[in-house]
Amino acid sequence: SAVISQKPSRDICQRGTSLTIQCQVDSQVTMMFWYRQQPGQSLTLIATANQGSEATYESGFVIDKFPISRPNLTFSTLTVSNMSPEDSSIYLCSVEVGGTNTQYFGPGTRLTVL
Amino acid sequence: TQLLEQSPQFLSIQEGENLTVYCNSSSVFSSLQWYRQEPGEGPVLLVTVVTGGEVKKLKRLTFQFGDARKDSSLHITAAQPGDTGLYLCAGGGGATNKLIFGTGTLLAVQP
Repeated sequence: SAVISQKPSRDICQRGTSLTIQCQVDSQVTMMFWYRQQPGQSLTLIATANQGSEATYESGFVIDKFPISRPNLTFSTLTVSNMSPEDSSIYLCSVEVGGTNTQYFGPGTRLTVL
Repeated sequence: TQLLEQSPQFLSIQEGENLTVYCNSSSVFSSLQWYRQEPGEGPVLLVTVVTGGEVKKLKRLTFQFGDARKDSSLHITAAQPGDTGLYLCAGGGGATNKLIFGTGTLLAVQP
């Protein structure tokens, strides 16, 4: 398993600003993932972040809006740029451990954009 | 496009009742995970199943992977208020290591 922390746990931001979310893992992992989740609903994958390469974005998500950094095997950041109220959501990072597609999740960042 | 449909979408039951949550797809997965998520927290892994027909038990929870690896079920016996949460299935497989998440089942167990 893996222990994952995220910062901040929640934030309220003004439209047009940007927020960077940090994800820290207690062990070295190859694959990290960023998700978005509306409360009470399922998860939508934003991108896969592998160390040493560009993040791979899912349909509907672009690098200019959600730039991702992966400087080492224990850390990643997701930036939500030029925010609008539609970006209000929970943002989660996860890591894959064990080679069976099993993922472990951070506690999430609850973002509200006014 | 791979989809995982969960049913029911919402479930409100009394403490002590039994329930089953279903996770269905037309696609084959090499592994299937079940997660439970409580408000304000990230999803917590309950189980991973990888073999068709596999059954795993976790205290009062029984998980089954379909023979064809296209579907799964989660059965809870004698539900307790602590079982309340959002239950998510997720299918894995393929070169990308991505998970396909189900539509979710929101369970409320009333004391």
